[in-house]
Amino acid sequence: AQSVTQLDSHVSVSEGTPVLLRCNYSSSYSPSLFWYVQHPNKGLQLLLKYTSAATLVKGINGFEAEFKKSETSFHLTKPSAHMSDAAEYFCVVRIRGGSQGNLIFGKGTKLSVKP
Amino acid sequence: ETGVTQTPRHLVMGMTNKKSLKCEQHLGHNAMYWYKQSAKKPLELMFVYSLEERVENNSVPSRFSPECPNSSHLFLHLHTLQPEDSALYLCASSQEGLDRGFSGNTIYFGEGSWLTVV
Repeated sequence: AQSVTQLDSHVSVSEGTPVLLRCNYSSSYSPSLFWYVQHPNKGLQLLLKYTSAATLVKGINGFEAEFKKSETSFHLTKPSAHMSDAAEYFCVVRIRGGSQGNLIFGKGTKLSVKP
Repeated sequence: ETGVTQTPRHLVMGMTNKKSLKCEQHLGHNAMYWYKQSAKKPLELMFVYSLEERVENNSVPSRFSPECPNSSHLFLHLHTLQPEDSALYLCASSQEGLDRGFSGNTIYFGEGSWLTVV
């Protein structure tokens, strides 16, 4: 069975300090992995995507994520947080094949950025 | 701007009303989706259309009725809803294989329609 676990429901950092949002997945197949961001009262915006090419994936707004198969992890990082990064972040797994187009969403991590 | 446009952005309706949510994608994709996002719950897939044919209906109540007239447009018709149906409804699209088997391709989301049922 496929699943996604975001280990922290809420992360708080100070502006200018590093961000780490953790995600572990479980998949019987070779998955595609995504991070989406949702700002208040907005839809979901794609941050970055892993599809079995380079294990270190760079996304928008300075975010990146590293796929570690041995740890079944896909943690999201950013070297220096900005106030505008305050939002909810979703780690998502999508498997290939089958008749379902479903994405498997983590429960989300709310990132707060303090001045 | 993600290429997926939803209207209206906000809708308040009574339990006896009939209304519709509209979604249009400008990405040339061949699959479209409706998701429901409620407070404190994970996103729920409601409907999937691939090549204009419905391939997934996750046991959604019949008071929600989707319509996909072509590959660029998707509607969600709403009738006799309940207060617990109040949520953010997200439309999305992706490019999938012609055999309707789903790839690992990216799904692009619209900004959502906030629905309040009173």
